[in-house]
Amino acid sequence: RKEVEQDPGPFNVPEGATVAFNCTYSNSASQSFFWYRQDCRKEPKLLMSVYSSGNEDGRFTAQLNRASQYISLLIRDSKLSDSATYLCVVNNKGNKLVFGAGTILRVKS
Amino acid sequence: EPEVTQTPSHQVTQMGQEVILRCVPISNHLYFYWYRQILGQKVEFLVSFYNNEISEKSEIFDDQFSVERPDGSNFTLKIRSTKLEDSAMYFCASQGALNNSPLHFGNGTRLTVT
Repeated sequence: RKEVEQDPGPFNVPEGATVAFNCTYSNSASQSFFWYRQDCRKEPKLLMSVYSSGNEDGRFTAQLNRASQYISLLIRDSKLSDSATYLCVVNNKGNKLVFGAGTILRVKS
Repeated sequence: EPEVTQTPSHQVTQMGQEVILRCVPISNHLYFYWYRQILGQKVEFLVSFYNNEISEKSEIFDDQFSVERPDGSNFTLKIRSTKLEDSAMYFCASQGALNNSPLHFGNGTRLTVT
C-alpha cells in the first residue's frame, strides 16, 4: 500500500461547483496532516493543516478520520483560481512529511 | 511574511559535474529539508537536517549527495557527480520549532543535467 494515496483526477468542474478530494494514508502512527496546493512548475504552498475535529478556512473544509486513515478536502463555490494540483501530506515518522501524488483540479467558466 | 529563498532558479550542468544548490531558510526555523520533484511525478523526500546533522535521509540520497549548513544561514545540497536522472526541481523547506508544524517551501531550483 502506498504511504499516501490520492485519486489523481483530473476533476473538471464548473465555477461555483463543490468538489471533494480524498486521501488515504498507511501509517496509523501519523500525527500531522496537511493539504498543500501546487501550481504548475511552482513550489507546494500550504493550504491548510488538518485537525482531528475537522476544520474550515473560508471555502475550504478539511476532515480527518483516524480510524479509517482517511483525509478529505472540500472546496465550495469553486473559483477559476482554485485550478491547481492538491497534495495530501502526512508525516510518516518524526518530522518527515510524505506527499501524495496529487489530485488535479480544473475549474472552468 | 518570511520566505525560504533558493538560488539559482535554474541550473544547467553536464553529466558528471558537481552542482551546489543553495537555500536560505526562514531565520528562526530549526528543521531543514530537501525534496525533489521529477517532471510529472510526485514530490519526494531527500533529507532532513536538524542541529547541524542529518536526521533522516531517503534511498535517493546516496553517497553522491551531501548537505551542509556552513554559516548558520545557508543550507546547501551538493550533488557530486550528476547523472541524467538527477534532472528535477529541487525544493528546500524549513520548519519552525514545533513538531507537527507545516513545512515552508522555497520556489525551487530547476536542475537540468545534459
